[in-house]
Amino acid sequence: QKEVEQNSGPLSVPEGAIASLNCTYSDRGSQSFFWYRQYSGKSPELIMFIYSNGDKEDGRFTAQLNKASQYVSLLIRDSQPSDSATYLCAVNPSYIPTFGRGTSLIVHP
Amino acid sequence: NAGVTQTPKFRILKIGQSMTLQCTQDMNHNYMYWYRQDPGMGLKLIYYSVGAGITDKGEVPNGYNVSRSTTEDFPLRLELAAPSQTSVYFCAARGASPYEQYFGPGTRLTVT
Repeated sequence: QKEVEQNSGPLSVPEGAIASLNCTYSDRGSQSFFWYRQYSGKSPELIMFIYSNGDKEDGRFTAQLNKASQYVSLLIRDSQPSDSATYLCAVNPSYIPTFGRGTSLIVHP
Repeated sequence: NAGVTQTPKFRILKIGQSMTLQCTQDMNHNYMYWYRQDPGMGLKLIYYSVGAGITDKGEVPNGYNVSRSTTEDFPLRLELAAPSQTSVYFCAARGASPYEQYFGPGTRLTVT
């Protein structure tokens, strides 16, 4: 059974700090990896995806993938209180995604 | 451009009742999904569809049924509602590009 593991948190960081969110997965054949942000009471929204080993940057967000170690991470630089949300990791082989339970991030002023 | 719409937003059912959760997308995407999300948990895939007339089970299909007669609509049917089906239900649509992923606003269902 394919599994995606995330620490449920909460992860608490001060405003302006780097928040680091981690995700591990069990299916070694997984090819694509997604990060979603979900505000309380709202639906998830896609913020990043990555296919290749290494880093992918988009604004304040950086996704990091290490297929050999089967982990993917999301870094949020210069964290803002508006970044406070739950971040869901998903592994998406062939368009059928498996989600982790999400990590709650709290950015305090 | 509405994206993905879901109705109703909230519903309370009694045990044993049935209902249909509606999902409509206006982006002409082939892939559509139904998820449930329990408190503090991630999304669990109930059913998905790769196009009109084609559906398949996800991780937690028991107690649910779907149909996909058109590209736009993907209703989820609950038969004989049980308290274990109390959850938030999200419908999603996906296009060919990984950027094209959209979720509906969700339906909060309580079964008592």
